[in-house]
Amino acid sequence: ETGVTQTPRHLVMGMTNKKSLKCEQHLGHNAMYWYKQSAKKPLELMFVYNFKEQTENNSVPSRFSPECPNSSHLFLHLHTLQPEDSALYLCASSHATRQEKNIQYFGAGTRLSVL
Amino acid sequence: AQTVTQSQPEMSVQEAETVTLSCTYDTSESDYYLFWYKQPPSRQMILVIRQEAYKQQNATENRFSVNFQKAAKSFSLKISDSQLGDAAMYFCAYNSNYQLIWGAGTKLIIKP
Repeated sequence: ETGVTQTPRHLVMGMTNKKSLKCEQHLGHNAMYWYKQSAKKPLELMFVYNFKEQTENNSVPSRFSPECPNSSHLFLHLHTLQPEDSALYLCASSHATRQEKNIQYFGAGTRLSVL
Repeated sequence: AQTVTQSQPEMSVQEAETVTLSCTYDTSESDYYLFWYKQPPSRQMILVIRQEAYKQQNATENRFSVNFQKAAKSFSLKISDSQLGDAAMYFCAYNSNYQLIWGAGTKLIIKP
């Protein structure tokens, strides 16, 4: 059993749809992350939450809206996406962000296809 | 700019043999951590091994070991006695200002 669970595993949506990705961690961590993974490119960090507070937003378009109601749950709300947003979206968690040695634990990702 | 370069998009190795995956990085920092993660077809990113930059001794985890050359900013991963279950994408990363900077990955194929 993985300590980080993401749902759904697969999602197909039209450009006018609104959907949400969910991430839940059972590891007692305080920091959670959203990454975008596109083929043959390095992982792109999108958002970081530390103790439920957003600490990073790496110039992500406003059509992606994160929400972190508590340290165990993280959502990514999607609306009016573009085909180039199709990718694997990974969630990760760690004990804290301000430690270089902190290890991030990942979920299995949501494969998103935007038509 | 801080970057991580994995120059081998794909590598293949015979089962039970040894393979080395390359990684170089660029940073002006003196203290940082380096990581190798594995992503099998199940898509979940799994930590393979971690190296602290201020430690000269190379990290090892069972069949996995690193060759860390700080001056050369090189951090290669050696997999000994390769197994079919080692087939995956391997990503090199380092921690900078509490963010992970990632390479583009190397696909490892294990030939039975």
